[in-house]
Order: sequence, then C-alpha cells, then structure tokens
Amino acid sequence: TQLLEQSPQFLSIQEGENLTVYCNSSSVFSSLQWYRQEPGEGPVLLVTVVTGGEVKKLKRLTFQFGDARKDSSLHITAAQPGDTGLYLCAGASGNEKLTFGTGTRLTIIP
Amino acid sequence: GAGVSQTPSNKVTEKGKYVELRCDPISGHTALYWYRQSLGQGPEFLIYFQGTGAADDSGLPNDRFFAVRPEGSVSTLKIQRTERGDSAVYLCASSPYRTSYEQFFGPGTRLTVL
Repeated sequence: TQLLEQSPQFLSIQEGENLTVYCNSSSVFSSLQWYRQEPGEGPVLLVTVVTGGEVKKLKRLTFQFGDARKDSSLHITAAQPGDTGLYLCAGASGNEKLTFGTGTRLTIIP
Repeated sequence: GAGVSQTPSNKVTEKGKYVELRCDPISGHTALYWYRQSLGQGPEFLIYFQGTGAADDSGLPNDRFFAVRPEGSVSTLKIQRTERGDSAVYLCASSPYRTSYEQFFGPGTRLTVL
C-alpha cells in the first residue's frame, strides 16, 4: 500500500510569516499534485509536478518535486489569512487513481 | 462552466438502510472517480470509471458498496445495509483525459449513519 505522509499535521502561524509543508513517501510517483480544501467543499487542484526536481511557482506558493519523485514540498511566502485551509498532496503512479496524503491543516492568524 | 455536482449534499440514514449518492461530472469528462473522506483525513480512493465501465474498483471496502455509470456520464454510488462506520464525506471527481492525473472534485455528500 502506498502511503503519503504530510508534516506538520497542523500549523498555525501569524500573517506575513513563511512556512513549508512536506509530503513524503517510500514509493515513487509518476506525478504529484497539491490540493487545497475548504470546509464543506471538495479539494481544488493547485499544481501538478511531473519531473523529478521540478519547481513550480504559483504567486506566493512554491512547489517542489523531489529528485527521486518520492517527496514534495509546498512553501508559502508571506502567508495571508486567505491561505487558511487543508492542504493535501496526492500521488499518481501509472494508474489513474490518486493516493492522497494525510493532510496539513493550516491556519493563518491575522 | 458548471463544475462537478453531487446530490444530496447531506444524507442522514439509519443503520441497515440502503442509500444512493449521485454525481454529475463536468460535461465531456470521460473519467469519473469516487473517494471517501473521513474526518481529519485525506480522501481515500473507492472506484474509477472510464466511460461506462469500472476500470478499477479496488478501493471499494466490501460488497455492500457498488457504483454504476450506465450512460458514461452521471454516476451513482450505492451502499447497502449501511453501518455507522460508513459515515464520511463521499467525494466525486471527473477528468477530461484518459490518463490525466488532474481531477476536478465536487463538494461531496456528507453521509451520517445513525
């Protein structure tokens, strides 16, 4: 069974601070996605990374796929209250289903 | 355009009852997925359709769970003899490509089994 572990599980920081969320696995993935989920809603795709070592930027968010395609990180610069939510990583490994991580619940305090 | 829709948004039922959860994917999306999300956890894969056929149902927990997609669009997840452990949010997602990993999720159906 493929497992994706995210850390930290919970994170509460002040507005304006920087943070990094980690997604780790012992399995290799063809691609990895990051989603954000608000209460009462489904996950919304933020980014897909495919190549080992790939870095993608989405405004204040920077996503990196590990060289071995087993891990990923999400870095947020100057966090804002609107960044609050549940962040999920999800890996795909040649078949169509996604294996989701355990999630990081992020709270940005104004 | 319209996103993935799921009905009902909430369903409360009693232990032992039968329930049906409906998913309307984005128009034209050939792939459809069902996931289950328990409180405080990430979604867990249940079943995947490509067109009308179930391409992978390895995530269905037991034979009380069944899903159909008869015309390759709308899908129904059916749960027989519900148990309290079935309580969760059931998420549906669709994708436009055969091997795309980019899935678009609906808001989910919150199922509560009393």
